[in-house]
Amino acid sequence: SQQGEEDPQALSIQEGENATMNCSYKTSINNLQWYRQNSGRGLVHLILIRSNEREKHSGRLRVTLDTSKKSSSLLITASRAADTASYFCATDGEGGGADGLTFGKGTHLIIQP
Amino acid sequence: EAQVTQNPRYLITVTGKKLTVTCSQNMNHEYMSWYRQDPGLGLRQIYYSMNVEVTDKGDVPEGYKVSRKEKRNFPLILESPSPNQTSLYFCASSPWWGTEAFFGQGTRLTVV
Repeated sequence: SQQGEEDPQALSIQEGENATMNCSYKTSINNLQWYRQNSGRGLVHLILIRSNEREKHSGRLRVTLDTSKKSSSLLITASRAADTASYFCATDGEGGGADGLTFGKGTHLIIQP
Repeated sequence: EAQVTQNPRYLITVTGKKLTVTCSQNMNHEYMSWYRQDPGLGLRQIYYSMNVEVTDKGDVPEGYKVSRKEKRNFPLILESPSPNQTSLYFCASSPWWGTEAFFGQGTRLTVV
């Protein structure tokens, strides 16, 4: 079942600008993760934020989580051409089920040089 | 180097010819899973395994089998592939369910 939904589906910005993408989900979670995928390759883990955290930073990445709105955002600051990729949010369930992560459909980010 | 290794990377096969996609991880992870990725549908989980000899269905298990005889290996078996199983497949492992997942490089399967 599709839990997370990213928004927008596609985003094109100039190099150096900030990129923001959003994720909404439906049920309670233990944590939410963001992954990056370069064209047709495996997903790479970027950051994990727990349900009791509101904000987390990692390098040029900033993730926020609002459990009351069931939403998260990923901000990439000072974007680079190498940031061109698809970005996925993934959630697990708080209900104790062991079926792992549920991914959204992704935001395709293009950084124009 | 910590990694998840899938083989083959590319495969073209004919309808009905049994095939196996192998997956191996060297991180001693308990949890492994298989996903398929299709345009417009994102990643969907096929099967997962919490430990040796413990496997369970994900969201789209029809037409697939898995086994977990050893902790490091989690092969995906298509007993009788059909064209609707043409997709990009990913194996992933993590220390436990819901934690950071490490993905293989993917297997692009075409069934004709």
